[in-house]
Amino acid sequence: QKEVEQNSGPLSVPEGAIASLNCTYSDRGSQSFFWYRQYSGKSPELIMFIYSNGDKEDGRFTAQLNKASQYVSLLIRDSQPSDSATYLCAVNSLNTNAGKSTFGDGTTLTVKP
Amino acid sequence: DGGITQSPKYLFRKEGQNVTLSCEQNLNHDAMYWYRQDPGQGLRLIYYSQIVNDFQKGDIAEGYSVSREKKESFPLTVTSAQKNPTAFYLCASNGLANNEQFFGPGTRLTVL
Repeated sequence: QKEVEQNSGPLSVPEGAIASLNCTYSDRGSQSFFWYRQYSGKSPELIMFIYSNGDKEDGRFTAQLNKASQYVSLLIRDSQPSDSATYLCAVNSLNTNAGKSTFGDGTTLTVKP
Repeated sequence: DGGITQSPKYLFRKEGQNVTLSCEQNLNHDAMYWYRQDPGQGLRLIYYSQIVNDFQKGDIAEGYSVSREKKESFPLTVTSAQKNPTAFYLCASNGLANNEQFFGPGTRLTVL
């Protein structure tokens, strides 16, 4: 079992729809959770981080964390073609160096006009 | 402008050659990281460093070497022992008090 697993893609949604991206992790000592967006051929950029159980909203993006179930998700409302990218989930653990992240393999999202 | 720079953007290596990828940051971050990304795959950690003159192996360190002589610089050498080095290499950094990682633009290495 991988330490961080993301739902297999690719994921395709029509423009204006809600895109839902999921991530599960195996280490119960995990404390920090990040979502990065990576456009093809480019480097990842942070779009959301969450530390506490519950929801965190930033514009069209909402991160959801459930530590008891060991999952974190990212919802993108009113999806736009410019949201088409690969989304990487990253997790930091108390059991490792606090700044070191373990990344999932990513989910590729395509938003169709 | 603060940020991370990587050079070169594209690098071609002949079999049996060692090559060095540059990574420089002016964010005053303590920790720096090197990742490898293969097509359609996630990021795999090669080496990381939390402080000058100290570094640790990541998950796929074989065939690679690093140094951290200055806080701002963390070069990666891909040695001839790395049998399949063609990949996209990403350098990242973060301050120890802030776990978010900032990434450089990457170096795409191809073996001829």
